[in-house]
Amino acid sequence: GQQLNQSPQSMFIQEGEDVSMNCTSSSIFNTWLWYKQDPGEGPVLLIALYKAGELTSNGRLTAQFGITRKDSFLNISASIPSDVGIYFCAGQLGDMRFGAGTRLTVKP
Amino acid sequence: GAGVSQSPSNKVTEKGKDVELRCDPISGHTALYWYRQSLGQGLEFLIYFQGNSAPDKSGLPSDRFSAERTGGSVSTLTIQRTQQEDSAVYLCASSQDSSAKNIQYFGAGTRLSVL
Repeated sequence: GQQLNQSPQSMFIQEGEDVSMNCTSSSIFNTWLWYKQDPGEGPVLLIALYKAGELTSNGRLTAQFGITRKDSFLNISASIPSDVGIYFCAGQLGDMRFGAGTRLTVKP
Repeated sequence: GAGVSQSPSNKVTEKGKDVELRCDPISGHTALYWYRQSLGQGLEFLIYFQGNSAPDKSGLPSDRFSAERTGGSVSTLTIQRTQQEDSAVYLCASSQDSSAKNIQYFGAGTRLSVL
């Protein structure tokens, strides 16, 4: 099936640092999505990417849809404490598959 | 409603009992999805509905799990004879339809604990 490999599994960073995480797959997708999940909440959409090579920003967040359609990355610049949470990538080709998540901890 | 609503938010049950989890999708959304999230893990797809029909039930882990949707709106996920390994957060999401460009919006989940 369509497996997504998300890395890293967890990150511990200092406030103000930049963060990068990525997802790769052996299969192609038509859509890549990035979600953030706060404790006790459901995932909330951060960025949606629909076209290979697309680079999209949302405030301090930037995500790219890989040119091969098999990968995507998410960057967070100048991290702040409220960036803490679990970040999930999701690839969609018909149905949607999720990565296992990257747990981000930001130390003030 | 304004967002996806799930109830109850927490459910504690004894092993062997049946439980029903409810999802009320965003008004007008025709597609509805159920996922399971074990502690510290990613999202495991269970089932999705387009309208009242479920084209893909492939993720249901056993025949103890079933789901239905009536009136194209509310859905219930039923787990019969619960086992301790069923303990997880059950998340529901909805989207305008099931096409590739439709974003899924999630509820806050139901945290199920089987003692």
